[in-house]
Amino acid sequence: GENVEQHPSTLSVQEGDSAVIKCTYSDSASNYFPWYKQELGKGPQLIIDIRSNVGEKKDQRIAVTLNKTAKHFSLHITETQPEDSAVYFCAASPRGFDSWGKLQFGAGTQVVVTP
Amino acid sequence: DAGVTQSPTHLIKTRGQQVTLRCSPKSGHDTVSWYQQALGQGPQFIFQYYEEEERQRGNFPDRFSGHQFPNYSSELNVNALLLGDSALYLCASSLPIILNNEQFFGPGTRLTVL
Repeated sequence: GENVEQHPSTLSVQEGDSAVIKCTYSDSASNYFPWYKQELGKGPQLIIDIRSNVGEKKDQRIAVTLNKTAKHFSLHITETQPEDSAVYFCAASPRGFDSWGKLQFGAGTQVVVTP
Repeated sequence: DAGVTQSPTHLIKTRGQQVTLRCSPKSGHDTVSWYQQALGQGPQFIFQYYEEEERQRGNFPDRFSGHQFPNYSSELNVNALLLGDSALYLCASSLPIILNNEQFFGPGTRLTVL
């Protein structure tokens, strides 16, 4: 089955700096890669996703890149703000008949943005 | 438009008991997936329901079972609770998976087994 590794486990950045989180996946059949933000006491919130037919996607201060050959994808947050502090999870999902929508999550990255 | 809702928010049980958790999907969604999130870890897929049937299952024992109702809401049942079942249980809803992978999560139910 799919295995997703995520690093770093913790990331401290100064407000205004950029943050980068990296993930690798094992199953070449995976074709959907969402990123979730989870604040304390809340469920994961989908912030951006990318599909295997796209190499990069941006949404304001957030961008995701995908390298299918190397099987890794990354989340980039620019101009970080204190409200970006949270745990971020990457996930991967294969598109096979018996595995649609079965998200495999990484272990998470605790991001702390200090003013 | 209400998002995914779950009840109860918190639950405390003792070992050996049984528990039922409930989920109402986001409006327009008909597929529900359940995940278990242990403290400090990423969510782990339990199973997925579509058209009132279990379509996929993760590596969880038969003590974990579920149901989906005609209105697309869903229940997660756990029998013979173990201390290790203590976790945040998350429900996620989506359009039919074949159309769109986007899954939206509810706030979760925090289960504590004593």
